[in-house]
Amino acid sequence: NAGVMQNPRHLVRRRGQEARLRCSPMKGHSHVYWYRQLPEEGLKFMVYLQKENIIDESGMPKERFSAEFPKEGPSILRIQQVVRGDSAAYFCASQPTRATSVETQYFGPGTRLLVL
Amino acid sequence: LAKTTQPISMDSYEGQEVNITCSHNNIATNDYITWYQQFPSQGPRFIIQGYKTKVTNEVASLFIPADRKSSTLSLPRVSLSDTAVYYCLVGGNTGGFKTIFGAGTRLFVKA
Repeated sequence: NAGVMQNPRHLVRRRGQEARLRCSPMKGHSHVYWYRQLPEEGLKFMVYLQKENIIDESGMPKERFSAEFPKEGPSILRIQQVVRGDSAAYFCASQPTRATSVETQYFGPGTRLLVL
Repeated sequence: LAKTTQPISMDSYEGQEVNITCSHNNIATNDYITWYQQFPSQGPRFIIQGYKTKVTNEVASLFIPADRKSSTLSLPRVSLSDTAVYYCLVGGNTGGFKTIFGAGTRLFVKA
């Protein structure tokens, strides 16, 4: 069972361009979380999605950022008109469909975005 | 979601036991305590999870006192490869496990 896949692993963009980050959850997982990590800091929650639904986007900036998790295909985190402050590592985590106990999240290797 | 407080950094030597304590005074009744490990340039990796008393697996032990306002991650006989950041998280099964990561504890294991 392959783990959580993220691509690209590294992404370089110039200010004003768009960044698209992809996350393929583990097989059988229908919950996806996106986090952002600045250097020397912990991960900050951005958004929680289930298939075709955004459940919680309280950690997502109101402008320029959007996320989706379509019925088919990977989850996408999209950043429009990137600025230097968007430079960070973006991690995706997936979780199985809820069962009777609290379950852990499985993290991908992250995408490191550098905005020039 | 309960906030957690843990030491910023710790140093240890190979072969020693390392205990990292996390405070979570506002833990809710249905909250679990989970610890993650993160190596540089990698995503966090689950270590252990517990609700009360003691939990042990092949990697670590987790001690939780009766009031659950703190927890201690115990790593037996650490090696150089245990050098990483360790995160304590508290959260419950309430429509999604929205985890809040603090700054974590940077453990540095020396030879």
